[in-house]
This record gives sequence, structure tokens and C-alpha cells, in this order.
Amino acid sequence: EIVLTQSPATLSLSPGERATLSCRASQSVSSYLAWYQQKPGQAPRLLIYDASNRATGIPARFSGSGSGTDFTLTISSLEPEDFAVYYCQQRSNWPLMYTFGQGTKLEIK
Amino acid sequence: EVQLVESGGGLVQPGRSLRLSCTASGFTFGDYAMSWVRQAPGKGLEWVGFIRSKAYGGTTEYAASVKGRFTISRDDSKSIAYLQMNSLKTEDTAVYYCTRESGAVAGNPVYWGQGTLVTVSS
Repeated sequence: EIVLTQSPATLSLSPGERATLSCRASQSVSSYLAWYQQKPGQAPRLLIYDASNRATGIPARFSGSGSGTDFTLTISSLEPEDFAVYYCQQRSNWPLMYTFGQGTKLEIK
Repeated sequence: EVQLVESGGGLVQPGRSLRLSCTASGFTFGDYAMSWVRQAPGKGLEWVGFIRSKAYGGTTEYAASVKGRFTISRDDSKSIAYLQMNSLKTEDTAVYYCTRESGAVAGNPVYWGQGTLVTVSS
């Protein structure tokens, strides 16, 4: 089973700053890597799929990069509504299964 | 607008069964695969399982932690996905989310319901 490790566990930044979140896979996942945002009391929201494609309606300040085992979610300039928990997720095709990282909490400094 | 509404959660004793429902609207239900994802209180996300569209056999896949105990099914005529949970354990306590995939087979959970809480306790 592929394990996803996110870092840091908590990231403290101010609005307007740039955020860089990391997700590392225990073995190659090609580009089958997605990022989700979850706010307290809400369901997760898909931000990025296939490593670098923004989902419908996601602002351009969110971008994803990487392939193989190392991936990054970048928020170019933090807005107040961006403070939340972020999860990465990979899809293995054989056998089909999904795994999530443990999450990175992005908090206001 | 895509909407997914879970129902059927509640308090259940260990060893008992519970069936969750996910009622979908705003899209052609039969064209899409559906997944269930859960989140234990204060914890991260855990994939539970997946059902392909009938065009791809309607086959299912499960996480190792629930395989043999949980069953996902679908009724395309009613636009409902089900999660049948048997032999429940205390560690199954979680909010259960229904999700719609990006396509008929494996993709990504794109749309999520609001979740339903299942508490397994004596």
C-alpha cells in the first residue's frame, strides 16, 4: 500500500503570504495525485487533480506540481478563506484504491 | 447543481449492521462511479470503497479495513448509492461521506455530500 506523507503538519502564515505544502509518496504514483481543502464542519473540496489541474471554480492562486513521488500545492497569496486543512490523495489502479495523506493544517499567524 | 445527500447514520452497537443511503441529483447518476470516504472524529480522511458505473460492470473495490464487512451497491433508477455496513466495530465510528467520481471508472472524488455520522458504541 502506498503511503502519503504530508509536510509540514502545521503551517502558520499571514494573509498575502505564499504557502507551499508538500506531499511525498512511498512509491511512484505517476501523476495520480489530488489535493483537497477542508474547513471545520464542512466536506472536503477538490482543488487539484492529476497533480496540476485545477478543478472547476478553483481560483488561479492555487497550483499543483510534481510527479512520481514528490508533489507540491502552492497558494500564491493567501486569502483569509484559505486557512483550512489540506489533504493529498493518490489513486492506485491495480488494485484500485485511494489513500490520503494525514493532512496539513494551514493556520493564521 | 450536483447534490449528494447522505442518510441513515446514527448510534449502533458493536457487531450490528447499518445501511447508509446517498441520494443524488443534478446529474445523470448512472453515468458515474461513486465512492464512500469516512473521517473519524478529529482525524483524517479514509477511503472506504468504490462502485463503478453499470457500463463498467458496476463492480466494487474496498479498503482492506472494511473488506468482507461493508458492501456498496447502487440503484440507478432511484439515483441512490448504498453502503451496507455489517459487523460494525467501534473503530468504524466516523462521518461517512458519499462522493461522485469524475467519470464512470476510477478518477477522483469530485463532489461530496455533507456527511452522516455513524457512532458505534455499546
